[in-house]
Amino acid sequence: GEDVEQSLFLSVREGDSSVINCTYTDSSSTYLYWYKQEPGAGLQLLTYIFSNMDMKQDQRLTVLLNKKDKHLSLRIADTQTGDSAIYFCAESINDSGYSTLTFGKGTMLLVSP
Amino acid sequence: DGGITQSPKYLFRKEGQNVTLSCEQNLNHDAMYWYRQDPGQGLRLIYYSQIVNDFQKGDIAEGYSVSREKKESFPLTVTSAQKNPTAFYLCASSIGDRGDEKLFFGSGTQLSVL
Repeated sequence: GEDVEQSLFLSVREGDSSVINCTYTDSSSTYLYWYKQEPGAGLQLLTYIFSNMDMKQDQRLTVLLNKKDKHLSLRIADTQTGDSAIYFCAESINDSGYSTLTFGKGTMLLVSP
Repeated sequence: DGGITQSPKYLFRKEGQNVTLSCEQNLNHDAMYWYRQDPGQGLRLIYYSQIVNDFQKGDIAEGYSVSREKKESFPLTVTSAQKNPTAFYLCASSIGDRGDEKLFFGSGTQLSVL
């Protein structure tokens, strides 16, 4: 089956940059997504990138996409304690004419003061 | 406010009991989804529905059932056949267009076994 792989844990100091990495499997994915989950809450869409782009910047967030290596990264500049959360990478999978998202297991980001 | 509402926030199931988790959306989205989240396992797809009166099994559908009688509602029943139901359940919806699968999530239901 399809697999989206992420490192499980990242710890940074406040003010540093954070980089969360992801590898995906389906080269036909149209969009790739980053979601954020705070404790006990649902997932919040952070940003996404169209598959024909290499980079997308949105305020403190930068997404880099390497289609050849099927590698996606999320960089958070000037990381704050409020950024502490679990971050999920997701790719779209087409199955029998329907599209669904397949998620990685999530990267827990811990930001220390 | 537009959004997805899941209820209850916490639910307890007794041995052999069926329980139903509610999910309602007022985003006018065609597609709705149920995911299960276990610690360290990420999200796994249980069922999804692209239109009213139609739904498909996801990766872990055994022990679960759904219905989609209205566009706004996609309830999930956890049956007694699901032997390990303790998990955090997330409902989501999307516009339903292929190539634009942006999901919007509810706040989740934590199901525990008594």
